[in-house]
Formats: sequence, structure tokens, C-alpha cells
Amino acid sequence: DAGVIQSPRHEVTEMGQEVTLRCKPISGHDYLFWYRQTMMRGLELLIYFNNNVPIDDSGMPEDRFSAKMPNASFSTLKIQPSEPRDSAVYFCASSLPLIGKNIQYFGAGTRLSVL
Amino acid sequence: DAKTTQPNSMESNEEEPVHLPCNHSTISGTDYIHWYRQLPSQGPEYVIHGLTSNVNNRMASLAIAEDRKSSTLILHRATLRDAAVYYCILRASGTYKYIFGTGTRLKVLA
Repeated sequence: DAGVIQSPRHEVTEMGQEVTLRCKPISGHDYLFWYRQTMMRGLELLIYFNNNVPIDDSGMPEDRFSAKMPNASFSTLKIQPSEPRDSAVYFCASSLPLIGKNIQYFGAGTRLSVL
Repeated sequence: DAKTTQPNSMESNEEEPVHLPCNHSTISGTDYIHWYRQLPSQGPEYVIHGLTSNVNNRMASLAIAEDRKSSTLILHRATLRDAAVYYCILRASGTYKYIFGTGTRLKVLA
């Protein structure tokens, strides 16, 4: 298995532009998570899905951020418009629905720089 | 959400055991204790987890205090590849939500 695949690995954009980050979870995993990592705030959970349905989006910082999961093999995190403070590494993770043995598998991340 | 406290950094010599502590005094009876590590420029990866009993796997051992207010991740023989940030996380039973703390940065000396 190729693991969780994120694209692009690096994204540089200018303030005000729309940014779309993509994630392909591990096949068969029912849960998908989006995290953001910064030096100041560490790793923060933004939102997670179960069977393509958003379950908890309480970590989404503001309305500029939106996430979708149109099918079991693809999710996007969109920032519109982007701001310099959105610069961070964004991770996607997926897991099986095994409540007693919940293991999240993380992708390599997308490093976003907003100039 | 229950919180964890870890030392900011630790050092170990190569091929020696490493004990990484974690305090979680507000843990509830059904919270699972998870450990992940993050190697440089990579996403976090699972290390081990437990509920009440000590656990062993090929990567590490997890020792959980009898009152569950603290736990220790044990790497039996540290290698240079084990240099990473180690996160101790509490996960409430019935949820899939992780709250990452600041972690411990482990430096392994050759």
C-alpha cells in the first residue's frame, strides 16, 4: 500500500489567492483527518470525516477554510482567500474504524507558504 | 479534553535504553494513551498505545502507572534513526480525536 498521499508537497502562493490541498487516504480507511502544524501552535486537528461525512470541524479556524470529501478515496482542504498566517504544514491522516486500536496513518504533508 | 505534560527535550546515547515520561493527571478512566513520533520533515507515525496494562511491540514498550496518571515510553536500544519528536496523546474512548501536545524532542548521540 502506498500510504496516505498528499499533493502538492510544497505550495507557494500570494496572499488573496485560493489554495487547494489534496489527500488520498489508504484504501479501506473510513476516517480521514486534516491537521495543521506550525511552530507557534504545534499540531492541530482541523476537521475529520467518517464515511465521507464531516464529524467534527471545530478546529477549522475560520470561514476561509473549507474541507470536502466527495468520495472515499479523495479529500480536499481549501483556503480562500489565503493569508500569510495560513503558512504551515498541513497533514492528512486516515484510519480504520477500530475504536480500541485506533491508529492514524499520516501523509508526508503539504508545506504551504503564503507570501 | 485531558492534557499531557512532557519534557521539552531529552538526550540519549546510541544503543542505550531511553525512558520518555508523560504526565496525564486528569486522565479519565476510559482515555487511551497513544504515542506517536515525528521524524524530521515527515508526518507523525504511530508507536504504541495502551489503556491500563503495559504494552510491548517491536518498536517500543509502554509502561502505565497503576493510577494511570503517568506513563513512560521505553525505547530499548536507541539508534540514530530514533531521533524525533515523541508525542504522548490521550484519546477519549468513543472518539477518534487526538489532541497533540508539544512533545519531547529526543536527541540520540553517536
